[in-house]
Amino acid sequence: AQSVTQLDSQVPVFEEAPVELRCNYSSSVSVYLFWYVQYPNQGLQLLLKYLSGSTLVKGINGFEAEFNKSQTSFHLRKPSVHISDTAEYFCAVSDEKAAGNKLTFGGGTRVLVKP
Amino acid sequence: KAGVTQTPRYLIKTRGQQVTLSCSPISGHRSVSWYQQTPGQGLQFLFEYFSETQRNKGNFPGRFSGRQFSNSRSEMNVSTLELGDSALYLCASSLGGTTYNEQFFGPGTRLTVL
Repeated sequence: AQSVTQLDSQVPVFEEAPVELRCNYSSSVSVYLFWYVQYPNQGLQLLLKYLSGSTLVKGINGFEAEFNKSQTSFHLRKPSVHISDTAEYFCAVSDEKAAGNKLTFGGGTRVLVKP
Repeated sequence: KAGVTQTPRYLIKTRGQQVTLSCSPISGHRSVSWYQQTPGQGLQFLFEYFSETQRNKGNFPGRFSGRQFSNSRSEMNVSTLELGDSALYLCASSLGGTTYNEQFFGPGTRLTVL
């Protein structure tokens, strides 16, 4: 079984400032790692994913994340946020060896970008 | 290419009723997964269908069921609705198969149980 903890439920940040969203996971098996974004009244959109290889992963809209196996973390960062980054962000994992698409999500982090 | 579509987008039901939600995947996608999103429990996996067979299942009571048709469209049914079933129900489609394939999410169906 896997679990995902997002350490901050809300993160207020000023426009053009950097932001980091923290994600830790627990799993007895190797996992794939994901960050999704959800804008109001919409579904989820994949920001980036870690499957294997380089631990620094770059995604869409200027986001990046670093996989740290020893700390079981996958923190998301953006060096300079825009008002349009106001949304809820979800970290998720899936079992690397399992067939299919069962995602386990964290509780989400609401990012509010202030002008 | 059209995205994942879910119908209806909004639904209001009363306790004890049953409801059926529909999901049309992206053309060519054979896997459809369903998730429940609530303020209290967050995003939780319900089940996944691949080639008309349930491939994965979450920890939900038997009142929650689903099926997939030969054209990959999927429906989920909730019987004997409870107040706690009020949620946003999201479906996601992917190519399927045994290796990783990106899931694409629909906009969701918001179910309110009164």
